[in-house]
Amino acid sequence: DIVMTQSPDSLAVSLGERATINCKSSQSVLYSSDNKNYLAWYQQRPGQPPKLLIYWASTRESGVPDRISGSGSGTDFTLSISSLQAEDVAVYYCQQYYSTPATFGQGTKLEIK
Amino acid sequence: QLQLQESGPGLVRPSETLSLTCTVSGGSISSSSYYWGWIRQPPGKGLEWIGSIYYTRTTYYNPSLKSRLTISVDTSKNQFSLKLSSVTAADTAVYYCARHNGGFYSYMAVWGKGTTVTVSS
Repeated sequence: DIVMTQSPDSLAVSLGERATINCKSSQSVLYSSDNKNYLAWYQQRPGQPPKLLIYWASTRESGVPDRISGSGSGTDFTLSISSLQAEDVAVYYCQQYYSTPATFGQGTKLEIK
Repeated sequence: QLQLQESGPGLVRPSETLSLTCTVSGGSISSSSYYWGWIRQPPGKGLEWIGSIYYTRTTYYNPSLKSRLTISVDTSKNQFSLKLSSVTAADTAVYYCARHNGGFYSYMAVWGKGTTVTVSS
């Protein structure tokens, strides 16, 4: 199984400041045939299901604000929120869909400082 | 707009079988090239992929659950279902159904709201 490790486990950022969450996979999730990273990011607000934010490591889902972005390739990925808003308080998960079983990171809890 | 709704008993006795159904509305489960999956989340913990199915009944299972797991599809009812046998307290979780964005090797684009299942005597 591919192990997904996120850092930090929790993060407190001031409103309007930048938040950065890291995700590292135990093996590359870059598929050479299509040159795509099989990596997604989800946001889970309290009491709600996960919501897709980013796929193919850097493609923003429709309706997701452009202050949220994804980057990285191979085994190291980053989710960035450029100007934190109150609505961004949530747990964020990365997920690889490169191989079965699909696996998620342990989650990063983002709070307001 | 595509919607998914989980349903099933909220309480299951230890050693019995957990059975859940996901009803798809706003789209046909068999008219598009999508896989349909189950994911669970134990209380206060992270997400675990359980398994996924295509309308042709092709399945992918998490090896950690495979010996106890059956996922099926009923195209006439636009539903897919999960059965997990010999449950223990460790199977207590919120269970979500979701639609992949395409084939199995794709992200989960649409999620249901989830249903809580407690395993207890």
